[in-house]
Amino acid sequence: EPEVTQTPSHQVTQMGQEVILRCVPISNHLYFYWYRQILGQKVEFLVSFYNNEISEKSEIFDDQFSVERPDGSNFTLKIRSTKLEDSAMYFCASRDTGEDTEAFFGQGTRLTVV
Amino acid sequence: AQRVTQPEKLLSVFKGAPVELKCNYSYSGSPELFWYVQYSRQRLQLLLRHISRESIKGFTADLNKGETSFHLKKPFAQEEDSAMYYCALRPLWGYNKLIFGAGTRLAVHP
Repeated sequence: EPEVTQTPSHQVTQMGQEVILRCVPISNHLYFYWYRQILGQKVEFLVSFYNNEISEKSEIFDDQFSVERPDGSNFTLKIRSTKLEDSAMYFCASRDTGEDTEAFFGQGTRLTVV
Repeated sequence: AQRVTQPEKLLSVFKGAPVELKCNYSYSGSPELFWYVQYSRQRLQLLLRHISRESIKGFTADLNKGETSFHLKKPFAQEEDSAMYYCALRPLWGYNKLIFGAGTRLAVHP
């Protein structure tokens, strides 16, 4: 069964450093998403991406965040200058077109900012 | 405001007991409601959705628009049901992000 794949599974970075989280969505899917989950809190929507552009973003997704689909298969989330409060589990998801389709999630990347 | 509330952080039951995981939502319209499950060390996966009205792994959930609820039920819990359960809402407009509740950890004891 096709899966959404995220790398790395765990990333430790120093405060102020840039970090790129990578995702390979399911190949025929057209909608892509990033969510995050701070330890002990709910899963929160960050951004959705469709047709090579951001379609919706939350207030969390400020200028420090960016997304890209550089080569037609990867979907990346970049945090330009990490802060301690960016420490969280980051989930990528993808979905096929159509009202009825479900979102498939990756296994997550745990980002720890020290 | 769009919101999903799962009032219980932890639900602890014995094997064979009935289970009800509560979910209430706030949305000015007709959303889609989902239950996602996350077993230990695994990814979030869809358990069921209100539009399909099916039973998965013995779980059912009925959308009650009057009470704005979408509680998840199972008559006889099994140990393998132990997991985190997330209720989620998907607005019918926009690019279909999911709005999650805080999750309920179900622990089924032998």
